[in-house]
Amino acid sequence: DAKTTQPPSMDCAEGRAANLPCNHSTISGNEYVYWYRQIHSQGPQYIIHGLKNNETNEMASLIITEDRKSSTLILPHATLRDTAVYYCIVSSLNTNAGKSTFGDGTTLTVKP
Amino acid sequence: GAVVSQHPSRVICKSGTSVKIECRSLDFQATTMFWYRQFPKKSLMLMATSNEGSKATYEQGVEKDKFLINHASLTLSTLTVTSAHPEDSSFYICSARGVGGRDYEQYFGPGTRLTVT
Repeated sequence: DAKTTQPPSMDCAEGRAANLPCNHSTISGNEYVYWYRQIHSQGPQYIIHGLKNNETNEMASLIITEDRKSSTLILPHATLRDTAVYYCIVSSLNTNAGKSTFGDGTTLTVKP
Repeated sequence: GAVVSQHPSRVICKSGTSVKIECRSLDFQATTMFWYRQFPKKSLMLMATSNEGSKATYEQGVEKDKFLINHASLTLSTLTVTSAHPEDSSFYICSARGVGGRDYEQYFGPGTRLTVT
């Protein structure tokens, strides 16, 4: 699986948009970009995923560059409960090869 | 969404004993389950991948005789830490990947905190 690079930490003001970047320059054609988050001492929570088109769901938006070498997770109106470690992962859908390798993630701190 | 449970949520055991952790997919069939461990302030490290009815595939550096994984059914996988030592103290997390519908997602359990004294 391709490796991802994320900034170690970011701050965001409550109510503002949080934009979390991720570099995945070695992503291959069949690999999707997934985002998870982990709140302290809990299991990771799925947020969103995409292949090449931008995606939006009730939690967030995912913007993937045209060359697919980077992406940005957008939390449109961050709340204090969004404080967590956010992981960007690339993985294929093929079950045998589709293991998720977690990088160090970005610790997002939402401040009042 | 799909739910994955783990039992127990916390366990304390003495050095040299074995501990079994269960991972269950509650409302879907999990063809593949993954086991991770996480040390404080560190990321998740994949230990092994198990497919129902077959032997688990362990990541490099993970001792398969120490961390026994059984995926006997489509809803249950177990991780047994044998002859546990204090350095095995960690947060163990399983995830499951299912069939049908949203099978592109991994659903994670809440984790099991193991403390070996």
